[in-house]
Amino acid sequence: QVQLVQSGAEVKNPGTSVKVSCKASGYTFANYGISWFRQAPGQGLEWMGWINTKNGDTEFAQRVKGRFIMTTDLSTNTVYMELRSLASDDTAVYHCVRDWGAVTVIADHWGQGTPVTVSS
Amino acid sequence: DVVMTQSPLSLPVTLGQPASISCRSSQSLVYRNGNTYLNWFHQRPGQSPRRLIYEVSNRDSGVPDRFSGSGSGTDFTLRISRVEAEDVGVFYCMQGTKWPYTFGQGTKLEIK
Repeated sequence: QVQLVQSGAEVKNPGTSVKVSCKASGYTFANYGISWFRQAPGQGLEWMGWINTKNGDTEFAQRVKGRFIMTTDLSTNTVYMELRSLASDDTAVYHCVRDWGAVTVIADHWGQGTPVTVSS
Repeated sequence: DVVMTQSPLSLPVTLGQPASISCRSSQSLVYRNGNTYLNWFHQRPGQSPRRLIYEVSNRDSGVPDRFSGSGSGTDFTLRISRVEAEDVGVFYCMQGTKWPYTFGQGTKLEIK
């Protein structure tokens, strides 16, 4: 079965960076992309960006463009996201989500979420 | 960006009764291939969202048939024929037709 397993919770100081991993299993990794979403406490869902796992093409939300990086490791079926210059409003649960690539599918399977707390 | 507007934002429902959520987009969600990438998600408290419906009206595997989606263009609806206790949580519509993906504000369903 499709599984996306994310790395554990993080606590970071403002101005630093956080890196979260997302390991996929149960499907042909290179046939699908990965999107990242986040959800601040008590708030709705926000899409942050998408990566084509096969060729590395990316799309970004304007709000995080320039400080949000996504990379992919085809040898381990893992996608990484890094968010730099953290501020308190980056405190959220971050989700990796299987998304379209060679196969057209939108956000069908979600990781368990990684809580990131930004606090001094 | 495509603005998604859901209503109502709060939905108290008696067990066994039907429920309906509306979602409107600020632009047509028909993609150049003719498909409409409007999805519905359900999020229980403390859990990750789960996709229920994709491309307006297609139920995901394992989703009970009491959930149905309909609509076209800019106007969409999620219907629950008979609400059950496990339906408590927040329902979101999301468009995947145009970058950036955008969500409705969420509709919180509670049992009366």
